[in-house]
Amino acid sequence: NAGVTQTPKFQVLKTGQSMTLQCAQDMNHNSMYWYRQDPGMGLRLIYYSASEGTTDKGEVPNGYNVSRLNKREFSLRLESAAPSQTSVYFCASRTDRGRGWGHTDTQYFGPGTRLTVL
Amino acid sequence: AQSVTQLGSHVSVSEGALVLLRCNYSSSVPPYLFWYVQYPNQGLQLLLKYTSAATLVKGINGFEAEFKKSETSFHLTKPSAHMSDAAEYFCAVSDRGSQGNLIFGKGTKLSVKP
Repeated sequence: NAGVTQTPKFQVLKTGQSMTLQCAQDMNHNSMYWYRQDPGMGLRLIYYSASEGTTDKGEVPNGYNVSRLNKREFSLRLESAAPSQTSVYFCASRTDRGRGWGHTDTQYFGPGTRLTVL
Repeated sequence: AQSVTQLGSHVSVSEGALVLLRCNYSSSVPPYLFWYVQYPNQGLQLLLKYTSAATLVKGINGFEAEFKKSETSFHLTKPSAHMSDAAEYFCAVSDRGSQGNLIFGKGTKLSVKP
């Protein structure tokens, strides 16, 4: 099992450019997540998808869109990148065995994408 | 709303010394609590979690944490630090109100001196 994979590993954009961050998991997990990590801020949730076909906003969704393409894949799109979006982006997934269990199931993280917006 | 606070953004210990990383939570319902570790340039990896069974939870790499309801704490400890423990550690609480999404603390960077 590869677990959670993310592409690309590194990216440099100019202000106003667009790009899509890709995430895939091979663990047959129901829930998937996108976080950003900034120094001294911990991880903040951007968007999540509790199941195929559903997406919901997290704490910091402005400037981002997501697509849950199928059960395996969850992409994050920056339509018009801004310097404030310079960050490390992590994708994660979780199994969610059923009502109530999801709260204790472990989230598994990808290796991250380092994005710089100039 | 639930939250976690990690006391100390940087902690430095000598190799072989006790590691103590502090986490306090705020929750109106019994919380589910997690500790994750992030090694340099990697993603996060689960160390241990509290899911309301035993209050003393043992994790990987010799780490353990004790849930203390009276102190609203879930501090992470390891009796003897190794150089390989140098990493950033995150405490998180599962948000019961939104499908169990994790709410992370700001992290504590652990340095281990030889």
